[in-house]
Amino acid sequence: AQSVTQPDIHITVSEGASLELRCNYSYGATPYLFWYVQSPGQGLQLLLKYFSGDTLVQGIKGFEAEFKRSQSSFNLRKPSVHWSDAAEYFCAVAPEGAQKLVFGQGTRLTINP
Amino acid sequence: GAVVSQHPSWVICKSGTSVKIECRSLDFQATTMFWYRQFPKQSLMLMATSNEGSKATYEQGVEKDKFLINHASLTLSTLTVTSAHPEDSSFYICSARRRILAGNNEQFFGPGTRLTVL
Repeated sequence: AQSVTQPDIHITVSEGASLELRCNYSYGATPYLFWYVQSPGQGLQLLLKYFSGDTLVQGIKGFEAEFKRSQSSFNLRKPSVHWSDAAEYFCAVAPEGAQKLVFGQGTRLTINP
Repeated sequence: GAVVSQHPSWVICKSGTSVKIECRSLDFQATTMFWYRQFPKQSLMLMATSNEGSKATYEQGVEKDKFLINHASLTLSTLTVTSAHPEDSSFYICSARRRILAGNNEQFFGPGTRLTVL
């Protein structure tokens, strides 16, 4: 079955430390890939997206993500997190040609001072 | 650009009443709008896809008679929760897909509406 998996429900890192959030998908072809961030009680903000081309994608707020076809992964990274990065992060996939987005379960990020 | 608004941002209603939530694309035309539901500490669940001028397509398990969706213009879609009950309490989020831009599946999300049914 087609799915999006974020293996980590909750991650805690110290401010200034590096961050990697994992995302794996299972689709036949390469879908369109997205990372969104949601602060409590708010809507979703797009961090970055991958449609084609360079597999390392730069986004807003210092985030980047790397598409690895062989691993069906699209992991989100940030070299040094800030306290304001504490939020819920969602990986989403749009199968090629489809309108719908399929979301992962989300990863809640907590930042220790 | 690509701003989506929702109104109201929160609403409290009595059980049995109907509630309408508006979703507007403020600076672009949206041929397709989507309605999601999000329970606390959970992911977004797609409820329906709404194309301008046509009937909405509902996901499996979503009652179309309970969640009425209207997409009357390229900038406005509404979700009406009819005869609301406490179990309908949730965070409802809409998104809009920009017109044309072939191959671009990016959706722009509204800030969400918190519905509480007493």
